[in-house]
Amino acid sequence: RKEVEQDPGPFNVPEGATVAFNCTYSNSASQSFFWYRQDCRKEPKLLMSVYSSGNEDGRFTAQLNRASQYISLLIRDSKLSDSATYLCAVNTGNQFYFGTGTSLTVIP
Amino acid sequence: GAVVSQHPSWVICKSGTSVKIECRSLDFQATTMFWYRQFPKQSLMLMATSNEGSKATYEQGVEKDKFLINHASLTLSTLTVTSAHPEDSSFYICSAEARGTDTQYFGPGTRLTVL
Repeated sequence: RKEVEQDPGPFNVPEGATVAFNCTYSNSASQSFFWYRQDCRKEPKLLMSVYSSGNEDGRFTAQLNRASQYISLLIRDSKLSDSATYLCAVNTGNQFYFGTGTSLTVIP
Repeated sequence: GAVVSQHPSWVICKSGTSVKIECRSLDFQATTMFWYRQFPKQSLMLMATSNEGSKATYEQGVEKDKFLINHASLTLSTLTVTSAHPEDSSFYICSAEARGTDTQYFGPGTRLTVL
């Protein structure tokens, strides 16, 4: 079983829509969690860390569910510029694991 | 803060030559640096993890004699692709974990093309 699993998508949504991604992890001892955004032919950039209490940054909300071992990313009011691949990452304390990424395309 | 640079940003070389890629943390000390490779439309693949002053830990299937990693200081790690071949053509990305944090920050990547 992979350490981190994501639905690769693609997710094609209209502008203004709300879209959510989930990412499951297998190691229950995982300590910290992140969402990264990667544009085509560019490096991943940290979007936000994910805390137990959940956190919000503008249109983006990240949540952690330890009981079910998944993290989620919610994007409200999607913009064309949100089109990218979204990677989740999990730090077990010993190692970082990245998901394979979920592709999002926001359509005009 | 947390800026990571990579040099060169792209390189084209002939088969058989060696290519050195530098990864620097510009405004923080990085106890651990990571090297990834990404082929087009594929996910990041971790190649190796390096801690300052010690030997790198390579992932299964990554040849340590072909991909030489040196992490000589808290702000610099280098990856040397020795005797590069066309199949080594890829996007190589480093990341650095800031001391006292558990967050990785990525460099802008190096696009390697081996002819």
